[in-house]
Amino acid sequence: QSALTQPASVSGSPGQSITISCTGTRSDIGLYNYVSWYQQHPGKAPKLLIFDVDNRPSGVSNRFLGSKSGTTASLTISGLLPEDEADYYCSSFTSSNTLAFGGGTKLTVL
Amino acid sequence: VQLVESGGGLVQPGGSLRLSCAASGFTFRDCAMAWVRQAPGQRLEWVSDINGSGGTTYYAGSVKGRFTISRDNSNNVLYLDMDSLRAEDTAFYYCAKGSSRYYSYYIDVWGKGTPVTVSS
Repeated sequence: QSALTQPASVSGSPGQSITISCTGTRSDIGLYNYVSWYQQHPGKAPKLLIFDVDNRPSGVSNRFLGSKSGTTASLTISGLLPEDEADYYCSSFTSSNTLAFGGGTKLTVL
Repeated sequence: VQLVESGGGLVQPGGSLRLSCAASGFTFRDCAMAWVRQAPGQRLEWVSDINGSGGTTYYAGSVKGRFTISRDNSNNVLYLDMDSLRAEDTAFYYCAKGSSRYYSYYIDVWGKGTPVTVSS
């Protein structure tokens, strides 16, 4: 299955907001509202941040906001903190009943 | 909720390996389960999915015909049998809990992973 497209890296200063985009197709992001986002710190397992486009699991900060328009999903992180520095992956359920992941975006907090 | 993988290791090209994942803290049979892998420095790659009853399975094209996912709902264990292993199968393999009984629309719990290295 094809990977979703994310920018390789983004950066921001503490307190600022950043947005990570995730582009798919009409067979995945454009077809379902099953977009999810994961945070992965080095050497650790991924952690669910957002599910079903814009829902946060219990315990995830409201600084993380998900959205979708057409075949592109976005993750916005507001009030950047040093501990937000990590890799971020988007994912979408697909018409083939599989999960597609993005290539990952490395967030640097300057 | 906990997922604990085991069975990873070093295997020669063409060899076989069985990964196991012990699940606890949730009703195992009510959840689809998945395996997701990550090669060193690379992105996450979905490998395979199995529904709650174990009757329906899905595979990534890169592993179809070589890997088999299965589950033991009596003992809350998920398996991944890997045959005809290739160097490009080298990765950290994560056991993952799906979001519904039928499909993993998203992954809400991840194990810590187990490393698989395919090399002569």
